[in-house]
Amino acid sequence: GQQLNQSPQSMFIQEGEDVSMNCTSSSIFNTWLWYKQEPGEGPVLLIALYKAGELTSNGRLTAQFGITRKDSFLNISASIPSDVGIYFCAGSRGKLIFGQGTELSVKP
Amino acid sequence: DGGITQSPKYLFRKEGQNVTLSCEQNLNHDAMYWYRQDPGQGLRLIYYSQIVNDFQKGDIAEGYSVSREKKESFPLTVTSAQKNPTAFYLCASSILRDRGGNQPQHFGDGTRLSIL
Repeated sequence: GQQLNQSPQSMFIQEGEDVSMNCTSSSIFNTWLWYKQEPGEGPVLLIALYKAGELTSNGRLTAQFGITRKDSFLNISASIPSDVGIYFCAGSRGKLIFGQGTELSVKP
Repeated sequence: DGGITQSPKYLFRKEGQNVTLSCEQNLNHDAMYWYRQDPGQGLRLIYYSQIVNDFQKGDIAEGYSVSREKKESFPLTVTSAQKNPTAFYLCASSILRDRGGNQPQHFGDGTRLSIL
């Protein structure tokens, strides 16, 4: 079946640092989504991307839809402690396929 | 406030028992979904429904059943045939995708199911 490779699996960073994570696939997707999940809660949509090459920001978050339509990345600038959580990418081509998640820890 | 409500938050199942997880949405979304989440893994699709009285199997439907009698409700039953039911279960809903596009799914806060 379709697979999404999300990396890194986990990150331990200092408050104020920038963060970068990405998802790659062997398949082409029509939509890329980025979600954040906090412990014991459901994922919350952060950014949705609909066109190859699209670059979209949401506050300190920036995500891009790769030009090949097989990848996407998420950047978080100037991280703060409340950025802690698991970040999931999801690619859609009729069905939504999720990456395994990047667990982010931020040290004050 | 519009949203997706899952209940209960925690559920315990005895051997040989069926249990039902509730999912209700007031977003007027046509499509609803059930996912299973295990530690260190992404979300895996169990069942989905795009219209009332119709639903399709996802990637891991064995041992689960659903119904969609109302647009707002999509309950999931974990049957005794599901031998490894311990997981975090997430319900989601979305507008039906339009031509050429895919609408984002919005999630409830999940139900954690454990075996007694």
